[in-house]
Amino acid sequence: EAGVAQSPRYKIIEKRQSVAFWCNPISGHATLYWYQQILGQGPKLLIQFQNNGVVDDSQLPKDRFSAERLKGVDSTLKIQPAKLEDSAVYLCASSPNRGTSGSGTGELFFGEGSRLTVL
Amino acid sequence: DAKTTQPPSMDCAEGRAANLPCNHSTISGNEYVYWYRQIHSQGPQYIIHGLKNNETNEMASLIITEDRKSSTLILPHATLRDTAVYYCIVRSFTAMIYNQGGKLIFGQGTELSVKP
Repeated sequence: EAGVAQSPRYKIIEKRQSVAFWCNPISGHATLYWYQQILGQGPKLLIQFQNNGVVDDSQLPKDRFSAERLKGVDSTLKIQPAKLEDSAVYLCASSPNRGTSGSGTGELFFGEGSRLTVL
Repeated sequence: DAKTTQPPSMDCAEGRAANLPCNHSTISGNEYVYWYRQIHSQGPQYIIHGLKNNETNEMASLIITEDRKSSTLILPHATLRDTAVYYCIVRSFTAMIYNQGGKLIFGQGTELSVKP
């Protein structure tokens, strides 16, 4: 089974430029997450999608960050304009449908991340 | 979701058991304890989870105290490849059963160094 795919793996931009990251979750996974991980810290949730709807975007800096999952499959996270403090690894994760039975482990599957450096 | 407290770092000799503690004194009755680890330059990886009973799988064992206020992740025979940051997370059961996937809130974790 293919894992969560992310691209690009690395990106270097100047401040005030824009950048986009792409994520393709594991096939059939309804829930998709974007996390931001600053060096030395644990990952912080930015946004959570259930199919193509947003479940939680309370931590997303909406003045500069946007994310979409138009067809309920792959997703794009955009930053415009970028700031120095946006330098981080952007992690995408997915989890399968579980239904009301509560079955499954509740496991999230993470990609390897996209490392952004803003100069 | 309840907050967790972990030591920032630990060392372990290769081949010995690594015991990673976690305090979650404000855990509520419907919250599970999850453990993930993150090897350098990779995304976090699920290890194990539990509610109130001890759990074991091919990677690790999870011991949860009777009052559920703390837990210990045990790697029975640590290898150099187990060097990673280990995160203890509590997560609402409700979030899982209502098909919301559930929100993982990561703390700082414990950086485990396995030494030869």
